[in-house]
Amino acid sequence: AQRVTQPEKLLSVFKGAPVELKCNYSYSGSPELFWYVQYSRQRLQLLLRHISRESIKGFTADLNKGETSFHLKKPFAQEEDSAMYYCALRYNFNKFYFGSGTKLNVKP
Amino acid sequence: DTEVTQTPKHLVMGMTNKKSLKCEQHMGHRAMYWYKQKAKKPPELMFVYSYEKLSINESVPSRFSPECPNSSLLNLHLHALQPEDSALYLCASSQDSRSGSVYEQFFGPGTRLTVL
Repeated sequence: AQRVTQPEKLLSVFKGAPVELKCNYSYSGSPELFWYVQYSRQRLQLLLRHISRESIKGFTADLNKGETSFHLKKPFAQEEDSAMYYCALRYNFNKFYFGSGTKLNVKP
Repeated sequence: DTEVTQTPKHLVMGMTNKKSLKCEQHMGHRAMYWYKQKAKKPPELMFVYSYEKLSINESVPSRFSPECPNSSLLNLHLHALQPEDSALYLCASSQDSRSGSVYEQFFGPGTRLTVL
């Protein structure tokens, strides 16, 4: 069965520190993975998708099939990065499964 | 227009009421989704419509009845709900993924439903 695990419910870092939000997945097929972000009082929005291999707002994420991971990283966290982050897996065409989420708190 | 809109923002209903949630998008997306999100939990997929046809029903109780009248609109009809159905109901849309390409989902702000 497919599964997405985000082991940290809450991650607190100081401004300027590196941040890594962990995501591990379990899926027998070829995975398509995404990071979604929800800022306070805003709607859920896409941050990154693995297929694009892009950097958005300084965040990057690399799919590691050997470790079945898709960790989200940023070298220097900013206060405006404080938000809820969800890792999501797309499977069977239009099915999406969201991890439990990690709340990132960037302290000044 | 690159937004998904949902109405109403808030809804309070009794267990015997019948109500409907509405979702609209004008981005030409042919896949539309309903999710349920309980407090401090991730969104859980309920239904997916692909080209106005129901393609995925994640074993949702029949007291939730989706409808897709056209490619821009998605409704969720509610009847005889239980208090545990209280949650944020999210609508999303995307290009249909059956083509093999990967498309992002655009989410609406949600309807906060309270069942008394």
